[in-house]
Amino acid sequence: QKEVEQNSGPLSVPEGAIASLNCTYSDRGSQSFFWYRQYSGKSPELIMFIYSNGDKEDGRFTAQLNKASQYVSLLIRDSQPSDSATYLCAVNGSSNTGKLIFGQGTTLQVKP
Amino acid sequence: ETGVTQTPRHLVMGMTNKKSLKCEQHLGHNAMYWYKQSAKKPLELMFVYSLEERVENNSVPSRFSPECPNSSHLFLHLHTLQPEDSALYLCASSQELGFGGYEQYFGPGTRLTVT
Repeated sequence: QKEVEQNSGPLSVPEGAIASLNCTYSDRGSQSFFWYRQYSGKSPELIMFIYSNGDKEDGRFTAQLNKASQYVSLLIRDSQPSDSATYLCAVNGSSNTGKLIFGQGTTLQVKP
Repeated sequence: ETGVTQTPRHLVMGMTNKKSLKCEQHLGHNAMYWYKQSAKKPLELMFVYSLEERVENNSVPSRFSPECPNSSHLFLHLHTLQPEDSALYLCASSQELGFGGYEQYFGPGTRLTVT
C-alpha cells in the first residue's frame, strides 16, 4: 500500500462545476495535511493546509479531513479553466523531521 | 514568487561532469529540503536540513552531495550522474522542523538533463 494515494486522473469537470479531489494516507500518526497545485513545467504551490478534523475553507477551496478514515479531500467550487493543473496531496510523517510524503497527484482538467 | 530561488533553472551535463545546484530562501526559515521529481512519480525527498545540520538522507546515492553553509543557502553538488538522474530538482523551505509539520514553500526548480 502506498503511503499517500491519489487517483492520477485526469479528472474532467465543466467550468463552473465543483471539482472533488481525494487522498488517502496510511500513517495514522500523521498530523498535518497539505494540498499543492502544480502547473505543467512549474513547481508545486501551496494552496491549503489542514490540521484538524472537519472542513477548512479559503475562497473557492475547501479542504476536508477525516482522520478516522485517513482521508483528506479538496473541493474547488466554481471551477475555472485556470484551475487546470495537477493537485498534490502531502502528509507529514509521524517522525519528528517534518518530512512530507507526497501522493502522485491528480490531474484536473476544467473545460470551458 | 515564494521567496525561494534556485539557480540554474536548466542544466544539461554529461555523465563525467561536476556541477552544483543552488537554492536561497528569503523567508527567514530554519529548515530546507531537496526533492527530486521524475516524470510519473511522486515527489521524492532527498535531504533535510535544520539550522544547517542534515537531519535526513533518504538513501540518496553518493553522487549527490548536499551542503548547507547557513540557514538561507542550500547546495546540491552533482558528480558522475546517470541518465536516470534527469529530473526536476526542487528546493523547499519551512519555518521549522517538527512533529505536526510546517508548510513547505518550493522554489521554481532546476530541470536537469544528464546526457
